[in-house]
Parts: sequence; structure tokens; C-alpha cells
Amino acid sequence: EPEVTQTPSHQVTQMGQEVILRCVPISNHLYFYWYRQILGQKVEFLVSFYNNEISEKSEIFDDQFSVERPDGSNFTLKIRSTKLEDSAMYFCASSRGHHSNQPQHFGDGTRLSIL
Amino acid sequence: ELKVEQNPLFLSMQEGKNYTIYCNYSTTSDRLYWYRQDPGKSLESLFVLLSNGAVKQEGRLMASLDTKARLSTLHITAAVHDLSATYFCAVSTMYSGGGADGLTFGKGTHLIIQP
Repeated sequence: EPEVTQTPSHQVTQMGQEVILRCVPISNHLYFYWYRQILGQKVEFLVSFYNNEISEKSEIFDDQFSVERPDGSNFTLKIRSTKLEDSAMYFCASSRGHHSNQPQHFGDGTRLSIL
Repeated sequence: ELKVEQNPLFLSMQEGKNYTIYCNYSTTSDRLYWYRQDPGKSLESLFVLLSNGAVKQEGRLMASLDTKARLSTLHITAAVHDLSATYFCAVSTMYSGGGADGLTFGKGTHLIIQP
């Protein structure tokens, strides 16, 4: 069964540094998402992406965040100047369509640790 | 602002017993999802519920949706240890109605099933 793949599985970065989290969505999916989950807490929506542009974003997704689909397969989340509170598990997800009964499929996540 | 509330947040039960997890949400939505998360793992889709009165079953799990009451339930029948996990409900936010909708998650129900 096709899967959403994320790299790296764990990223350790110094505060203030830039990080790029990478995702390869399922190949025939058109909608892409980033979520984060701070340890022990609920999953929070960051941003959605469709047709090469941001579709929706939450209050968490401020100017330090950006997303990009640099080629036909990768979907990236960049955090420009990391803060301690950015430490979390970041999940990428993709879905086939908007008006469908298909769920969003999640990757295994990238654990981001900011020191 | 869409709010999704689950209860209970923590549930310890014995194998063979039945129990129900409840998910209430605050505004109209057209889709409700149930996900399972094992410790340190990603989110696995269990059910997508699209309409009022929808009921879906997979093995010992059954999910239902009452859109008028803004309530979904996840019922566990004759629980087995392998069902121990955290269960999240999530609601489609429909920010714009035309794009990729982020999901708003509940806090999750941490379920422990003891032999």
C-alpha cells in the first residue's frame, strides 16, 4: 500500500537555526498537509497545500514557517529561525481529493528537537 | 473557532468488556474521522464518517455520527489487548469550502486494555 514518507525521522537543531523537513506524499494525491504534535498533546493543523499554493493555514503557521513543492514529488516544511517551543513531532499528510470519502494519510513523522 | 472534545481522555478497561468513546464538536462539519495512534507512531485512519446516521464497523470497533447532536461515538466490543492505543477524532474545518481542509483534532483518548 502506498505510504507518505518523511525524512529525517529525527532532527536535532540549535535554536535560531533553519530546518527543512521533507515529505513525499502518495503519488496520486493532490492535497498536502503539515501537522505538529507536541509531546503528549493533541495533533495541531499547520497548513494545507493544493495546486502549488497554500490553501489554508492556522495561527501557528506564522512568518517563520514556509512550505514548498520544489519538484513533482517532494513537499517541504521550512522553519526559518527555530525556537525551543518548535520542538515537536511534525507529520506530513496527503489526501486524494477534497470532496471524497478518503482520509488524510499520515507519514511516520519527523521528531524535531531544538536545543 | 471549531472545538473538538473527547471523553474520556483516559480509559483503562479489561479484556472482554465493552466501552464507548465520545467526540463532540462545536460547529457544522461535513466529515468526521477517527484515527488510532500507537506510542511513538503515526496516525492510522480507522473511519471516515460523512453523513448523519453514518455507522461503520471494522472488527471490534464501530463508529457512528449524529450531525444534529454534533456527536460521534467509537464503540469497542469485547476489547482485546491489541486495541490499546490513543484514539483521536478529528473534524474537517471547511475554512474555505473549496480547498484542502485542515483537520481539528480532539485531545485523544488514551486506552489501556488489561488482560
